[in-house]
Amino acid sequence: DTAVSQTPKYLVTQMGNDKSIKCEQNLGHDTMYWYKQDSKKFLKIMFSYNNKELIINETVPNRFSPKSPDKAHLNLHINSLELGDSAVYFCASSLAGAEQYFGPGTRLTVT
Amino acid sequence: GENVEQHPSTLSVQEGDSAVIKCTYSDSASNYFPWYKQELGKRPQLIIDIRSNVGEKKDQRIAVTLNKTAKHFSLHITETQPEDSAVYFCAAEFGGYQKVTFGIGTKLQVIP
Repeated sequence: DTAVSQTPKYLVTQMGNDKSIKCEQNLGHDTMYWYKQDSKKFLKIMFSYNNKELIINETVPNRFSPKSPDKAHLNLHINSLELGDSAVYFCASSLAGAEQYFGPGTRLTVT
Repeated sequence: GENVEQHPSTLSVQEGDSAVIKCTYSDSASNYFPWYKQELGKRPQLIIDIRSNVGEKKDQRIAVTLNKTAKHFSLHITETQPEDSAVYFCAAEFGGYQKVTFGIGTKLQVIP
């Protein structure tokens, strides 16, 4: 009965590769998010979807492309990975204007 | 643009003492202010939140105060315990766009 799940939990890959992270929520929320948390623990929003529509797209390189096939899923695809992409990526979901529930995070290491 | 400033970035207190973390925000239209706790290696989790029609909210040892005129809000933890040690993030929802901007986080260490 996990609320927000992400896969994989760990991802180690080489520069230049393409990778995807998947996120699913079973809370019936209408809004989903992707955050990047760097080594200094700063939580930076990347994208937000409401009812499958993109509503927030922060200044993120276009190598990052989110996809929301339905309200319960928000995936993140990253092309041409760079060293600076190494971070923990958190998915989250909420009802509009309410508490966000975070997934367990995906630790991405680019070598 | 939207901005949330949080301080201090690190805070050490003796067990049993109180801890206070302060945040300011830039958008006067903000109306939702959550606080999240992130333990080492884990996900952020909501510990308390406050909306703009309320000035203070308490939940056991945790309280949050909001001053909309001054655009600042604070987290107060009383009778701190070692398990309170974590990184605490304040946040503010901006402009009704469901965008929650986080502060930089405060690493709280409670010394037994």
